[in-house]
Amino acid sequence: EAGVTQFPSHSVIEKGQTVTLRCDPISGHDNLYWYRRVMGKEIKFLLHFVKESKQDESGMPNNRFLAERTGGTYSTLKVQPAELEDSGVYFCASSLVQSRRTSPNNEQFFGPGTRLTVL
Amino acid sequence: AQSVSQHNHHVILSEAASLELGCNYSYGGTVNLFWYVQYPGQHLQLLLKYFSGDPLVKGIKGFEAEFIKSKFSFNLRKPSVQWSDTAEYFCAVYYGGATNKLIFGTGTLLAVQP
Repeated sequence: EAGVTQFPSHSVIEKGQTVTLRCDPISGHDNLYWYRRVMGKEIKFLLHFVKESKQDESGMPNNRFLAERTGGTYSTLKVQPAELEDSGVYFCASSLVQSRRTSPNNEQFFGPGTRLTVL
Repeated sequence: AQSVSQHNHHVILSEAASLELGCNYSYGGTVNLFWYVQYPGQHLQLLLKYFSGDPLVKGIKGFEAEFIKSKFSFNLRKPSVQWSDTAEYFCAVYYGGATNKLIFGTGTLLAVQP
């Protein structure tokens, strides 16, 4: 079974440019998450999709970030225009079950991440 | 606020030494607890998880963790590390409620010297 995949693995852009990151979740996983790790800090939640709907976007830093998941399959995260502080590793994860209670099936499977460098 | 603390940012051990990595979380009622590991050049992968029941949880590759509710802790242990355990280790907490997000600690870089 294929895991979560992300593209590209690395991206180097200049301040003010636009970048689009892509995530393909595990097949059949309705739940898709984006996280970000800025260098030296913790991995932080950005947002959560259930199918094509945004369930929680409380972690999105500002309106330069736009996430979509048309058709409920893969997701894209666009940063426009990119700023220096957007540099970091962007992780995508997916899970089979969304639960509001403890559930042994809500494990999140992570992709390899996209390392974004804004110069 | 929901938060997770990992006390050790960098740990260097010799092979066969014992390992204990600390993790504390802020109070939040019933929680799920996770340890993830990221080996060099690889994905984050799950080492072990606690949902309920026995507070001593066994994971892959000989790792275990103990949930101590009174201390809000979920420390990771391994009795004898190997060079291949060199990686970054992340403690994460799921607080439940209206959101499904994980709250992560800052990570601990473990280097095992042969």
